[in-house]
Amino acid sequence: SQTIHQWPATLVQPVGSPLSLECTVEGTSNPNLYWYRQAAGRGLQLLFYSVGIGQISSEVPQNLSASRPQDRQFILSSKKLLLSDSGFYLCATRGTKNYGYTFGSGTRLTVV
Amino acid sequence: AQTVTQSQPEMSVQEAETVTLSCTYDTSESDYYLFWYKQPPSRQMILVIRQEAYKQQNATENRFSVNFQKAAKSFSLKISDSQLGDAAMYFCAYSNAGGTSYGKLTFGQGTILTVHP
Repeated sequence: SQTIHQWPATLVQPVGSPLSLECTVEGTSNPNLYWYRQAAGRGLQLLFYSVGIGQISSEVPQNLSASRPQDRQFILSSKKLLLSDSGFYLCATRGTKNYGYTFGSGTRLTVV
Repeated sequence: AQTVTQSQPEMSVQEAETVTLSCTYDTSESDYYLFWYKQPPSRQMILVIRQEAYKQQNATENRFSVNFQKAAKSFSLKISDSQLGDAAMYFCAYSNAGGTSYGKLTFGQGTILTVHP
């Protein structure tokens, strides 16, 4: 079965500081990987997805970027955080039969 | 683009009773997947149940069952014999089955379920 490791769990960063959130996947190879953001405890919004190393697609233009330097590693970054970047960030991967979506435990980001 | 709508921001139920959470979706695709996810206070996303659009039979997982009405584009979740541990935010989600969708999930806005003892 697939396992996602996501860190850090909680992060408080000042406005204008850089950001790096990391996600690694175990138990599968060449997975589809996704970054979602959940604002104010409501619905999840897809930010980025990747179908392979170096392949990144952005769903929502914003202050964030993503990278996939290795097959099972997915990184969410920002050069300068905005207050509006605060939220709960979740990494996810999809199983081979489209029912095995696995989510990481999430990162609660507060920009102050 | 696909959309998912959960019209009930909050619902409550008495322990041991039954509650139904509503979800409607909009798509022009014929082959897709629908999901219900549970998010407890820990915020971990937990898959509750899934439905494949080409299957007419409604999915069931123990106390959880769905009423899938493809023509009406409706996908409701029924929780029977509600337990205190069922209290959580519930999300309805949609995914195209086709390869070009890359498995992206579209979520509804969620329904907060409160279970009263």
